[in-house]
Amino acid sequence: QVQLTESGPGLVHPSETLSLTCTVSGFSLTGYSVYWVRQPSGKGLEWMGRMRYNGDTSYNSALKSRLSISRDTSKNQVFLKMNSLQTDDTGTYYCTRGGGVDYWGQGVMVTVSS
Amino acid sequence: DVVLTQTPPTLSATIGQSVSISCRSSQSLLHSNGNTYLHWLLQRPGQSPQLLIYSVSRLESGVPNRFSGSGSGTDFTLKISGVEAEDLGVYYCVQGTHAPNTFGAGTKLELK
Repeated sequence: QVQLTESGPGLVHPSETLSLTCTVSGFSLTGYSVYWVRQPSGKGLEWMGRMRYNGDTSYNSALKSRLSISRDTSKNQVFLKMNSLQTDDTGTYYCTRGGGVDYWGQGVMVTVSS
Repeated sequence: DVVLTQTPPTLSATIGQSVSISCRSSQSLLHSNGNTYLHWLLQRPGQSPQLLIYSVSRLESGVPNRFSGSGSGTDFTLKISGVEAEDLGVYYCVQGTHAPNTFGAGTKLELK
């Protein structure tokens, strides 16, 4: 069955780089896009960017200068890297399948704090 | 970017009551390919969002048919015909017609 699992550090210091991994199963990264979405604590959902099935990427313009998404199809993994983290980057980070957002990971909580 | 405006922000309902949530877009969500990529999600407390309705009115597999979606262009509605306790949480509309994808701010469904 389709599964997405996010992993990464729970704590990041201000100005450092966040690195997250989304490991997928039950579908191919060359057949479906994977999106990254984040949710500040107690707030709504924000689309961050996507890795398309063909390897193309696109990013939220507000985050574009800090964000990079890549993948390793042999490992069924999509990676997110975001630099210059600040406290307002604290929240839960999700990966989700495709524009239909039909499957979501369980999310990974990231706290930015010194 | 497309702005999705959801109303009301909070909805209080009794079990069995029927309710509706509105999602209004700042641009038409009709894609040049003829599809409309407006979807509805439910996020229960402490859980990841889950897809309820995709492409305006198509019920995701396993979702009860008390949920229904309608609309076109810029105006869309999610209706719950007979709220059940498991329906409580925050509902989001999300569009995928125009890049970047955007979400509504959410509607919190509470028990009255």
